[in-house]
Amino acid sequence: DTAVSQTPKYLVTQMGNDKSIKCEQNLGHDTMYWYKQDSKKFLKIMFSYNNKELIINETVPNRFSPKSPDKAHLNLHINSLELGDSAVYFCASSQGGARDNIQYFGAGTRLSVL
Amino acid sequence: GQQLNQSPQSMFIQEGEDVSMNCTSSSIFNTWLWYKQDPGEGPVLLIALYKAGELTSNGRLTAQFGITRKDSFLNISASIPSDVGIYFCAGRFDLSDSWGKLQFGAGTQVVVTP
Repeated sequence: DTAVSQTPKYLVTQMGNDKSIKCEQNLGHDTMYWYKQDSKKFLKIMFSYNNKELIINETVPNRFSPKSPDKAHLNLHINSLELGDSAVYFCASSQGGARDNIQYFGAGTRLSVL
Repeated sequence: GQQLNQSPQSMFIQEGEDVSMNCTSSSIFNTWLWYKQDPGEGPVLLIALYKAGELTSNGRLTAQFGITRKDSFLNISASIPSDVGIYFCAGRFDLSDSWGKLQFGAGTQVVVTP
């Protein structure tokens, strides 16, 4: 069974559209994250939720809105997509607060904005 | 903010050779992690380090947490073709009552030729 699963794996869309990426983890973790990986493979955190509460919110345009309906899910909604939003988006989860706060990553969603 | 410098950016090696890469930080960390990312996949944890001076192995991989707490290295011995991928270091500074954000290096692309 996949521990952290994201859908869709590929997303191709036009500029100006609104799209969502879903993430689910079955590890029983209480903390989930969204990362953006740019074309140079640099990984940067965007958001983190702990037990459905936002705990990390980096400098991300407010077109990006995370939503956590429960601690096993963290979805990412993006409004008015721009060309610069093209990237690979990774969801991750961990058992926050523990010393071995290891983050487990999903396989990524490759977003292409045309 | 913290800067994580990872080097080298890429390595082209022959099968059987040893590989060495390192990360340095402008600030101290109390956790260092090493991940590997295969093409089309998310990062997968290889080794976690929690204590200055700690030396940990995972099969042919060995990583060390630098004494200054500002650096870490990863060695791969006797490389094989499946070692191909991008290796990321990541560091975190956790406070006693909260955990910090994971900062990633820019990655080291490893290419292994037969």
